Parts: sequence; structure tokens; C-alpha cells
Amino acid sequence: DVKVTQSSRYLVKRTGEKVFLECVQDMDHENMFWYRQDPGLGLRLIYFSYDVKMKEKGDIPEGYSVSREKKERFSLILESASTNQTSMYLCASSVTSWERGTEAFFGQGTRLTVV
Amino acid sequence: AQSVTQLGSHVSVSEGALVLLRCNYSSSVPPYLFWYVQYPNQGLQLLLKYTSAATLVKGINGFEAEFKKSETSFHLTKPSAHMSDAAEYFCAGGGATNKLIFGTGTLLAVQP
Repeated sequence: DVKVTQSSRYLVKRTGEKVFLECVQDMDHENMFWYRQDPGLGLRLIYFSYDVKMKEKGDIPEGYSVSREKKERFSLILESASTNQTSMYLCASSVTSWERGTEAFFGQGTRLTVV
Repeated sequence: AQSVTQLGSHVSVSEGALVLLRCNYSSSVPPYLFWYVQYPNQGLQLLLKYTSAATLVKGINGFEAEFKKSETSFHLTKPSAHMSDAAEYFCAGGGATNKLIFGTGTLLAVQP
């Protein structure tokens, strides 16, 4: 079974802290994604990586950065956490092309609260 | 630009009734479409996927969806709702860019 593991299920951080959310996948997938989920807004793409050290901004990259030094690991970084970044964060991975008939696999999510 | 629209943020059905969750997409390239389900405090689980092999796609738990190019739709149906179907459902689309774009979700309530 494909496994996407997010390092924490729940996190509480203080405003201004630097926050790292870690995601690891075990299926050698090229693509990895970070989404933010908020009620009524669905899942919004923050960043997307299609290869090691390669990244692309999603729809809401402001206030976030990412790192992909190894194929299996994709980190989301909040440089200076703010209360409006309180949310559920979901990591996903997939192979290169939807034409291969695959889908994205998701982690369990990290619920981040910034106080 | 690609987009996915789900009509109805909340849908309520009686147990045993038909479930119909609506999804429309907008894309300039052949789409790859997915329905995911999310139970409380969990990640997303794939229900079914359309990747051009067949327009009627069957998924897990008795769900199916039909791709209709003329209507740019990919609605999710289940003939008879079960209490365990209560969850949030997301339609998503992938295109040539390899990005996966989601709709805003539909929360399904099943009444006894």
C-alpha cells in the first residue's frame, strides 16, 4: 500500500514561530503536493513539486515555502506563523502523469493552530 | 485555466435514497477527474477516477460517476444511501500540468 506520512496530526504554535510540516512517501512518486483545507473553501494548493529540488507555486503560496531535498520528503515551512495560517494541512503524492491511470495519495493531515 | 465546481456545499438525503453530488469542470485539455471522500479527522480516500478509458466509472462502496463531455460534468451517484456514507466529498481534476485542483467539497448528511 502507498503510504504518505505526515509527521504530526496536531500542532500548536505561537505567532511568529518558524514551523516545519514534514511529509514522507514510500512509493517513489515524482509529484508531491501541499494543500490547505478550510471549511467552505475546499483544498487549496499551496505548493507543488514535480522532482527533487523543483517546486512550483500553487494558488496560495504567500507566507509559505517548501523544500524537497530528497524524492521521498517534502517539507512545508511557515517562515513566521500567523493566526490566519491556522488550518488543516494535507500532503499528497502521485506519479508523473495522470495518463498512467493513477491518482494522488494523501496523508492523514496536520491540524495546525497558531495562537 | 482548469477549475472544478461542486454545486451544493451541503446535501441531505434519507437512508435508502439516491445520492447525487454534482461536479462540473472547466478545462482546455482532456481532463482526468477524481472523487475523493473524507471522513472526520482523516485524510482523503479515493472513491473513483476517470482517465478516459470509460465514461461510466464504478468506485468503492457502491458509488459511480459518469463523465459527460457535452455537459462538462462528472456527477457522483449512489442508488441507496447508507448511514456510513455521511462524509465530505471532493471532486478533483488533473490536467497536463500534473497539478490536482479540487472543488470546494460537498458535505453529505444521511438521515435515518
